[in-house]
Amino acid sequence: GDSVTQMEGPVTLSEEAFLTINCTYTATGYPSLFWYVQYPGEGLQLLLKATKADDKGSNKGFEATYRKETTSFHLEKGSVQVSDSAVYFCALRSGYSTLTFGKGTMLLVSP
Amino acid sequence: ETGVTQSPTHLIKTRGQQVTLRCSSQSGHNTVSWYQQALGQGPQFIFQYYREEENGRGNFPPRFSGLQFPNYSSELNVNALELDDSALYLCASSLRGGEISPLHFGNGTRLTVT
Repeated sequence: GDSVTQMEGPVTLSEEAFLTINCTYTATGYPSLFWYVQYPGEGLQLLLKATKADDKGSNKGFEATYRKETTSFHLEKGSVQVSDSAVYFCALRSGYSTLTFGKGTMLLVSP
Repeated sequence: ETGVTQSPTHLIKTRGQQVTLRCSSQSGHNTVSWYQQALGQGPQFIFQYYREEENGRGNFPPRFSGLQFPNYSSELNVNALELDDSALYLCASSLRGGEISPLHFGNGTRLTVT
């Protein structure tokens, strides 16, 4: 079945540092890939998406590229802010089926 | 555009009781999915409704059941509550049409079973 593996957290960074959160997946066919963010006490917000190989999703300074050859969708940001502290979830979706999530990676950014 | 809203936000129940959680989908969306998120884990798919019928189910027992109404709102019912049912329950809506739209989530209902 489909599965998503994310790097374990927490990831602790200083403000303005470079961020990478690794995500790899296993799926049949050609899934769409997503990053969702969850702030404390809130639901999930879609951060970015990519629907086919070599697509790059981007939003709010975050980027991720759909790499079919390595089955990866790593999240990056050049300069993190304290307000980026949250839990980040990588997810995949095959067709109209539901989302399969990773376990989440907590990001803590200090001033 | 109205987002996904869930009620109540928090709920405390006793083991063996029954609970109903509610969800209003985002305007224009016709598909609703429910997820269970245990503390420190990623969301796990419970089931999905499209056109008032269940059209996908995860690895959850039959005591988890649901409904979708003509206005696309939805309910999640859990019977015979167990301590392990304590979790954040998330509702997500999407539009099933030509292009596959992303899921939009509500803020969830935090259920505590004592």
